[in-house]
Amino acid sequence: GAGVSQSPSNKVTEKGKDVELRCDPISGHTALYWYRQSLGQGLEFLIYFQGNSAPDKSGLPSDRFSAERTGGSVSTLTIQRTQQEDSAVYLCASSGDRSGRQYFGPGTRLTVL
Amino acid sequence: KNEVEQSPQNLTAQEGEFITINCSYSVGISALHWLQQHPGGGIVSLFMLSSGKKKHGRLIATINIQEKHSSLHITASHPRDSAVYICAVGSARQLTFGSGTQLTVLP
Repeated sequence: GAGVSQSPSNKVTEKGKDVELRCDPISGHTALYWYRQSLGQGLEFLIYFQGNSAPDKSGLPSDRFSAERTGGSVSTLTIQRTQQEDSAVYLCASSGDRSGRQYFGPGTRLTVL
Repeated sequence: KNEVEQSPQNLTAQEGEFITINCSYSVGISALHWLQQHPGGGIVSLFMLSSGKKKHGRLIATINIQEKHSSLHITASHPRDSAVYICAVGSARQLTFGSGTQLTVLP
């Protein structure tokens, strides 16, 4: 079956511009996560959605970052007024089967010039 | 002190060797994940553990909740096992990640 997909795969933008990153989770998975991996750094939790519950936004680094999940499926991560330190690979994952494992998308590589 | 410590940071092995990667954590958790990140960047979840031991093919993961320690073992290692192995701990809501172990298996 289809895995987690993300778009775009690469995004180059200028400092100060807004960007939107999209995640399509595995169909039927109720949990969706956004992570960030900066160059040479480890993975960092950003936000968690579970069904219709309020999201856990405790990992968002600033108020320039926001995310929504529509209809319990597709999610969009928006970064406003991008800064060079926002350059990273943004990864989405979903979970919802008995294994408890998270299934990761291929990521979006964001470069802010 | 990081909440999740992995050792070793780098590991080079010969094909066929038995490999162990360790993960220690300092926070209370409900689950521990082992992830594999290939050179191209893709991440695959290997295991999610809350207690005991799990086995999948040549991979074995164990966790000792009392000692706050987990190990990932690879039996009969192969060059295709070369990757970064990442330990992550936490709950269903969020995870804290280790810095990863770079494994290189030489033919």
